[in-house]
Amino acid sequence: SQKIEQNSEALNIQEGKTATLTCNYTNYSPAYLQWYRQDPGRGPVFLLLIRENEKEKRKERLKVTFDTTLKQSLFHITASQPADSATYLCALKRVSGTYKYIFGTGTRLKVLA
Amino acid sequence: SAVISQKPSRDICQRGTSLTIQCQVDSQVTMMFWYRQQPGQSLTLIATANQGSEATYESGFVIDKFPISRPNLTFSTLTVSNMSPEDSSIYLCSVETGGISSGYTFGSGTRLTVV
Repeated sequence: SQKIEQNSEALNIQEGKTATLTCNYTNYSPAYLQWYRQDPGRGPVFLLLIRENEKEKRKERLKVTFDTTLKQSLFHITASQPADSATYLCALKRVSGTYKYIFGTGTRLKVLA
Repeated sequence: SAVISQKPSRDICQRGTSLTIQCQVDSQVTMMFWYRQQPGQSLTLIATANQGSEATYESGFVIDKFPISRPNLTFSTLTVSNMSPEDSSIYLCSVETGGISSGYTFGSGTRLTVV
């Protein structure tokens, strides 16, 4: 069955370091992959989208990679700050026949001052 | 991107009753999506609401349990009917604006507790 896996354990890192979060998927060939940030009691907020033919996408301190061979996306936050502490979700969509995204369970990131 | 006003933000309801959740978008959108997020779980799509037509429900969700209205291009409601404690969850509405590269905008969610 189709599956999206994100590390369910919280990730704690020191301020200033690079946080790297992983999104793995199986039995799925996504055309688009998105990353969202979700704070407690709030809805997810869109961060970045990467297409299957793109290896890497950057936005300010954020970088996303997409390896369709490994079936994996990595999400990096450089020079992390305590304000980056949140849960980060990945979501996948196939290209045809659907507008629907399938979401992972998210990884909670805590940046320690 | 769009701004969504969702209410109520939270509610505690008795089993067997119904709750209607409202989402108002500050721009016209074709499709609105309703999700459920149970504790420790991923977002699960309940249904897609198009203006002027019946909502399309995902596997495991039925109209009798989750009736949806979409009276115009800026507003939608989701009703959780005949509630049981298993319905306790966060419910979110979402829209896609600005094209595929803009992602989805979500409401702030409704935290429902059924007792």
